[in-house]
Amino acid sequence: DADVTQTPRNRITKTGKRIMLECSQTKGHDRMYWYRQDPGLGLQLIYYSFDVKDINKGEISDGYSVSRQAQAKFSLSLESAIPNQTALYFCATDRGKHGYTFGSGTRLTVV
Amino acid sequence: AQSVTQLGSHVSVSEGALVLLRCNYSSSVPPYLFWYVQYPNQGLQLLLKYTTGATLVKGINGFEAEFKKSETSFHLTKPSAHMSDAAEYFCAVSEIGSSASKIIFGSGTRLSIRP
Repeated sequence: DADVTQTPRNRITKTGKRIMLECSQTKGHDRMYWYRQDPGLGLQLIYYSFDVKDINKGEISDGYSVSRQAQAKFSLSLESAIPNQTALYFCATDRGKHGYTFGSGTRLTVV
Repeated sequence: AQSVTQLGSHVSVSEGALVLLRCNYSSSVPPYLFWYVQYPNQGLQLLLKYTTGATLVKGINGFEAEFKKSETSFHLTKPSAHMSDAAEYFCAVSEIGSSASKIIFGSGTRLSIRP
C-alpha cells in the first residue's frame, strides 16, 4: 500500500458543486499539506496542518477549506467549485526537515 | 521570505549529454534544499536534498547537486542523460531550524531527452 493515498484519482464536477478530496497516510507524520499544481506555476500551497489541532492557510486558500479528522487524515473541500479550480491536487506529509512524501494526486476538472 | 527560481521552464538535451537544471534560492536563514522529480501522471518523488555538511549531494538515478552559498544556487546535474530521465523537475527550499517551516517550490523545469 502507498504511504500517502489520495482519493479520488480523477474527478469531473460541475460548477457550483461541493467536492471533497481525501488524503490518508501511513507514515505516522504529524505534518500534512495540500498543494495544487498548474502548468508553469509549480506547486502552490493551499492549506497545511502541523497536528490535528493546527490548521493554517497557505498561499491560495480562498475557495477551499480543510478538515484534519485524525493524524492520518486530511481532507480538502471546494465549497462551490469553479472552473479555475481545475488543476492537479497533491497531498503531502513530512516530519519537518526531511522532505515530503507525496500522494499520487487528484486530477480535478470543473466544468 | 523564501523563494526559488528555476531558470528555464523547458530544457532539451540529447541522450548521453550532460544534464544541467538551474536553481537559485532566496532565504533569510540557512536553507534546506531539495530537488523533486515528477514523471507523467505521478506524484513528486524526492531526488536529493541538502541539509548540512557536504555541499555536493548525490541522489538517485545518477543525479547530483551542489550547494553554493555564495551564489545562492543549487543546480542539478547528471553526466549522461538517459531517455528515462524525461520528466519535470522541481527545486524547493525550506528554512533550517524553523519548526513551523514549509517547503516552497519553484515553477519546475521540464526535461526532454532527444534520441
